[in-house]
Order: sequence, then C-alpha cells, then structure tokens
Amino acid sequence: NAGVTQTPKFQVLKTGQSMTLQCAQDMNHNSMYWYRQDPGMGLRLIYYSASEGTTDKGEVPNGYNVSRLNKREFSLRLESAAPSQTSVYFCASSEAYGGARGYTFGSGTRLTVV
Amino acid sequence: GEDVEQSLFLSVREGDSSVINCTYTDSSSTYLYWYKQEPGAGLQLLTYIFSNMDMKQDQRLTVLLNKKDKHLSLRIADTQTGDSAIYFCAESKAAGNKLTFGGGTRVLVKP
Repeated sequence: NAGVTQTPKFQVLKTGQSMTLQCAQDMNHNSMYWYRQDPGMGLRLIYYSASEGTTDKGEVPNGYNVSRLNKREFSLRLESAAPSQTSVYFCASSEAYGGARGYTFGSGTRLTVV
Repeated sequence: GEDVEQSLFLSVREGDSSVINCTYTDSSSTYLYWYKQEPGAGLQLLTYIFSNMDMKQDQRLTVLLNKKDKHLSLRIADTQTGDSAIYFCAESKAAGNKLTFGGGTRVLVKP
C-alpha cells in the first residue's frame, strides 16, 4: 500500500540542466497531478492528467512538460532549469470523480536550481 | 474565478481548541476539504464536508460550513503538539475533480 511514490526526494541542478521527476501510483486512480509549493504561495497546479492519454495545463505550466506514460505513471520534465523553479514538487492522484476521497499526495521532491 | 483564502498563522496553547478559517468564492463548490502537512511531508487528507451539510464531526475535528457566507472552519479540540503543521483547505466542483487549494495556515502549538 505505497500510495503515491515520487523520485527523487532531493535534487540540486545547475541553471540550464534538465531533469525528469518521476511519479507512480498503485491505487488504480485515473487522474494525476503535479503541483509546486513555494513559501507563501500555497500549492499551484502545473499540469494534470484527467485520464490515461490526456494531459492539460494548470496554473503555472511554463518551463515544464509532462508525460502520462501509462495509468500508473506521470512524469514532470524540466528542459532547461531556472532558479525560479526552485521549489517543492508534489505529485497527487485521484479517482476519476474524486468527490469525497479527494487527492492522495506523494511526499514531494525538493528541487534547488543554482 | 476560483479563490480560496486562509489566514497565514495561528498560535495556540496545548490543550486549548484551535479554529482555522477558510473562505472561498465559488458558490458551485461541492466538496470542501481539510488537508494537513507536517514538516518535510506531503499533504494528508484530514476530513471533508459535502456542500449540503452544515457540520461534520470526526473525533477531535469539527468542520463547520456556512454556505451562504462561503466560510469553512476546522476546529481541533484539545490541541496537541503533534497538531503543529500547515493546514490547507480546498474545494472541488461536482462536475470535475480538480481541487483548488488555499495558501495554508501554519499552526504552532505551544506547550
């Protein structure tokens, strides 16, 4: 019963480097999400995937790309990292019509871009 | 547009009750949630309330919803040091499954 697993937990990148944040869920959820959390800004939605094969932009998509590899996995890619992308990134998943069950969150990836 | 707002900080003494407040703007919100985030961890669902309810109680937690004023509150009875965390309220609509989160309220419990 792992829930939502994110890798890596910590990462330091140099400006201009690329990396992919991985997320996998084992709850057979249809929908998956990527958020970033910055001090004083709460959670902001980057991209989401309502179901396998679909992805949509959220509130702050610039500088990111996503891939819904299969029903379990949803990755977030930074093609050319910038210091403004220093943040804590959370992946979440939900049933197609989340309703009362809401989201299940991973434990986060702490990314620093220097 | 959608907006969910919370106060930034709450300090409370151990054993007292805590009340965390949240306001939202979208009258079509169907489910309203409270999440807890402990240091270095992800968000954990604490409780939720459906929009046709006024109150929900779950052990030490009481959720009150005033739909007319679009105001949601979370009361924690007998607050413990382990309740120190950031608490987020969130809302979703019936037709979809995206949640909109507030900015979070940091609760500090003093012994």
